[in-house]
Amino acid sequence: DGGITQSPKYLFRKEGQNVTLSCEQNLNHDAMYWYRQDPGQGLRLIYYSQIVNDFQKGDIAEGYSVSREKKESFPLTVTSAQKNPTAFYLCASSRRQGGTYEQYFGPGTRLTVT
Amino acid sequence: AQTVTQSQPEMSVQEAETVTLSCTYDTSESDYYLFWYKQPPSRQMILVIRQEAYKQQNATENRFSVNFQKAAKSFSLKISDSQLGDAAMYFCAYRSPNTDKLIFGTGTRLQVFP
Repeated sequence: DGGITQSPKYLFRKEGQNVTLSCEQNLNHDAMYWYRQDPGQGLRLIYYSQIVNDFQKGDIAEGYSVSREKKESFPLTVTSAQKNPTAFYLCASSRRQGGTYEQYFGPGTRLTVT
Repeated sequence: AQTVTQSQPEMSVQEAETVTLSCTYDTSESDYYLFWYKQPPSRQMILVIRQEAYKQQNATENRFSVNFQKAAKSFSLKISDSQLGDAAMYFCAYRSPNTDKLIFGTGTRLQVFP
């Protein structure tokens, strides 16, 4: 089945540690995205990538980093510089830039940092 | 910058009845795309319906329809014959034709009572 996988579903880390969230898609989509969801705030864009080896900052990129070495993979690293990393993280992909092409979402990863 | 506002944090509806969720947005662009996404308790984001701003006809998908008022910058979602499975968070989202960025509202939690 085609889709987007995110692993793990729940992730726990100690403060000061970097952590990498996985996102893989087998939809052959060009564009991939990372969103952060906090209670009462909807989804906010962290980073997005339209093609391999290229990515752009979203609205809240500080404290995060990404890579796009393969079309199907777009991992997100939450660094120790992120002041409030505890949140629900959603990865998405779409077929191409612009137009009405919808973004398909993964099941998300709940990150808790203590 | 574009903004999306959902002024109803919570709504409730009786099974088989009709409910309307509100969404307003602010933009200076004349062409854009609007979406409604559903997030059930599993937290998987699912596209419900989409609307292109250049189309005057309101989009419809089975029991879901929109009332798109471009001049008023309003994009409400109507759910007819509500079912228990419709209970979820609903997010309104805006996308400019020139970017891949989705701008989300803060969501409306819909409860469906039997």
